Amino acid sequence: EIVLTQSPGTLSLSPGERATLSCRASQSVSSTYLAWYQQKPGQAPRPLIYGASSRATGIPDRFSGSGSGTDFTLTISRLEPEDFAVYYCQYYGSSRTFGQGTKLEIK
Amino acid sequence: QVQLVQSGAEVKKPGASVKVSCKASGYTFTSYTISWVRQAPGQGPEWMGWISTHNGNTNYVQKLQGRVSMTIDTSTNTAYMELRSLRSDDTAVYYCARTSGWYEDYWGQGTLVTVSS
Repeated sequence: EIVLTQSPGTLSLSPGERATLSCRASQSVSSTYLAWYQQKPGQAPRPLIYGASSRATGIPDRFSGSGSGTDFTLTISRLEPEDFAVYYCQYYGSSRTFGQGTKLEIK
Repeated sequence: QVQLVQSGAEVKKPGASVKVSCKASGYTFTSYTISWVRQAPGQGPEWMGWISTHNGNTNYVQKLQGRVSMTIDTSTNTAYMELRSLRSDDTAVYYCARTSGWYEDYWGQGTLVTVSS
């Protein structure tokens, strides 16, 4: 079973700064099956990135995804106030797996 | 527009069963798999399984095998998730989600299931 480990657990940044979130898989995975979601309190997860680097519908271009093999990254180029939330990576295998999340909080 | 509307919150006693519904609209129901994901308080999402809306085939996460059933009613474009022999650690928000390619692109609003004696 693939295990996804996200780091850091919490990231404290200010609006306008750049955020870099990491997702590491326990074994090499196809980038086709790696997605990122944003979740705010009381809301369902919102898809941001699929296929490691493709933005989902309606996602602004300040969000970008990259990586391959075991190491994947979600980058938010310039943080907006609405970007402070929890972010999860997901592996779309025969059994889906989510990472434990990175909380992006306002510094 | 695509919408997944779930049934309301439930409170159940340990050992009971719960059945959550998920009514889809705004797209061709039988063209997309439905997945179920749950999220315990303060925890990350946990995938429970999926059901093919084309033929009813299912794939459940191993830890829930024998306790979970996912079904569909194509006449009403509704998916159902039933969880039996409820325990306190089944307390969570349960989501249905549409699977597009290799990720979940639309989600229901969530259904809180509380298991308490």
